[in-house]
Amino acid sequence: DAKTTQPPSMDCAEGRAANLPCNHSTISGNEYVYWYRQIHSQGPQYIIHGLKNNETNEMASLIITEDRKSSTLILPHATLRDTAVYYCIVRAFSGYSTLTFGKGTMLLVSP
Amino acid sequence: SQTIHQWPATLVQPVGSPLSLECTVEGTSNPNLYWYRQAAGRGLQLLFYSVGIGQISSEVPQNLSASRPQDRQFILSSKKLLLSDSGFYLCAWSRAGGYGEQYFGPGTRLTVT
Repeated sequence: DAKTTQPPSMDCAEGRAANLPCNHSTISGNEYVYWYRQIHSQGPQYIIHGLKNNETNEMASLIITEDRKSSTLILPHATLRDTAVYYCIVRAFSGYSTLTFGKGTMLLVSP
Repeated sequence: SQTIHQWPATLVQPVGSPLSLECTVEGTSNPNLYWYRQAAGRGLQLLFYSVGIGQISSEVPQNLSASRPQDRQFILSSKKLLLSDSGFYLCAWSRAGGYGEQYFGPGTRLTVT
């Protein structure tokens, strides 16, 4: 799996959009970008994934640059419950490739 | 819908004692199953994964072993625990073939004293 680079921490005010960046400059053509988050003392939670088109679901939006070397996870209206470590992972969609978690970004949402 | 269970939620064990952690998945067939460990202040480390009954792949050499006696049951074991085995153990599943996202259980926090 290609490696990713994320800022160690970010702050966001409650109700504002949280934009979490991720660099993955060595991503391969068959690798997807996945985002997970882990709230303290809980198991990681899947958020969203994409290949090259922007994706949106009930939790977040994923914006992938045209060259696919970076992406941004957007939480449109952050709440206190969104405080968590957010992991950006790239992996091949097919086969038995596993998830490799880095250190992620600690997002702190404040009132 | 699919659910994943892990037990116990917390465990305190002395050094040298055995370990057995259990994970079960409901609502899906022939899932891929995974065991991860998260040491304090560190990222998740994949320990084992399984693509079918009796099929176990180990990612790192260690004091632990895994077994899959049934399609939706995954067990993590140790004969003699070490202090370094302390951590947060997470079980996860994904659809057969390793496609798509993984779904994690609530985890077991193990403290070896």
